[in-house]
Amino acid sequence: QKEVEQNSGPLSVPEGAIASLNCTYSDRGSQSFFWYRQYSGKSPELIMFIYSNGDKEDGRFTAQLNKASQYVSLLIRDSQPSDSATYLCAATYGSGNTGKLIFGQGTTLQVKP
Amino acid sequence: EPEVTQTPSHQVTQMGQEVILRCVPISNHLYFYWYRQILGQKVEFLVSFYNNEISEKSEIFDDQFSVERPDGSNFTLKIRSTKLEDSAMYFCASRFYTDTQYFGPGTRLTVL
Repeated sequence: QKEVEQNSGPLSVPEGAIASLNCTYSDRGSQSFFWYRQYSGKSPELIMFIYSNGDKEDGRFTAQLNKASQYVSLLIRDSQPSDSATYLCAATYGSGNTGKLIFGQGTTLQVKP
Repeated sequence: EPEVTQTPSHQVTQMGQEVILRCVPISNHLYFYWYRQILGQKVEFLVSFYNNEISEKSEIFDDQFSVERPDGSNFTLKIRSTKLEDSAMYFCASRFYTDTQYFGPGTRLTVL
């Protein structure tokens, strides 16, 4: 069973702090990893994707991938109250014409003013 | 910016009735997906669709479910005889050749 695991939280940080969200995955065959943000009652919104080991930065967001440890993380710098949401980690499984996403249960982030 | 659209936003139906959920993927995308999310639970994969056929389906996607791409733009999910446990948010997603999937706003299905 292919699994993606996240701590459900809530993770509470003060405004302006760094929020660190973590995720592990079970299948070494996965190639691509994604962070989606989901507000209550809304659909997942893509934040970042990462394919290669190391760090990838996009504005206030940095994704980190360590394939040896099967670990993905998302750092949010200068956290804002509008960042309060559930963050979903997802991994792609299947090659060719499939490429389904397997999601973790999500980590709820609360940014307090 | 192109986006995936879904209709209706909310569908209420009686148990045993058929429902069709509609999606319009991003126009140049080639791979299409349906996911569902029961309230408070994970987003779960249902089915993937490419080149006018199902490429993979999950255990959830039993004989009560079907998908169709009736024309060049729409992608539909049909549930033939709804059950109470089918109540969930249903998300359509699409992608081009890269792995990145873009999600529609979802349809909330309520089965009474």
